[in-house]
Amino acid sequence: DAGVTQSPTHLIKTRGQQVTLRCSPKSGHDTVSWYQQALGQGPQFIFQYYEEEERQRGNFPDRFSGHQFPNYSSELNVNALLLGDSALYLCASSLPALLSGANVLTFGAGSRLTVL
Amino acid sequence: DAKTTQPNSMESNEEEPVHLPCNHSTISGTDYIHWYRQLPSQGPEYVIHGLTSNVNNRMASLAIAEDRKSSTLILHRATLRDAAVYYCILRDVGDYGGSQGNLIFGKGTKLSVKP
Repeated sequence: DAGVTQSPTHLIKTRGQQVTLRCSPKSGHDTVSWYQQALGQGPQFIFQYYEEEERQRGNFPDRFSGHQFPNYSSELNVNALLLGDSALYLCASSLPALLSGANVLTFGAGSRLTVL
Repeated sequence: DAKTTQPNSMESNEEEPVHLPCNHSTISGTDYIHWYRQLPSQGPEYVIHGLTSNVNNRMASLAIAEDRKSSTLILHRATLRDAAVYYCILRDVGDYGGSQGNLIFGKGTKLSVKP
């Protein structure tokens, strides 16, 4: 049973460029969340998608946007990259809202973004 | 979400029990206590969660204080593979749909296991 898969695993961009990261949720999960993890810090919540809509958003600027597709997979887009956007970007999925009880998340291994 | 306080780091010897503490003095009645861990170069991994009673699963045990203001994650026999950052997180599961997935991570406890 495949868990959460993310691509690419590593990528390097330069300031001002745009990046798209992709996530396939665990089988049976329909809710996808994205997190940013800077070096030495805990993950920070970016936003969550459910039923192809952004349901909740953390304290991130509009340069960060996302999308969820009918098959529940998701993309994270970051425009006008800054040096400070260098981080590990994590995708997490969970069961349907009314079934998940205590909201257990399954995380992917992440996409390591370096902005030069 | 209420905040948690954990020690920055702990050390353990292999095959010995490990008790990882977490303080959450402002916990509300509907907050579940969750533990996740993050192995090097991996995403966080769910470990265990509980509400009021102690919980056991194949990975660990969770001991919750009677007043719920603190909890302890117990690894019964630490292995080298248990070296990771352990996060204690409170989740209010009273609101479905809208706030799922919004875990508030602190810096966690970095556990080192010595052979």
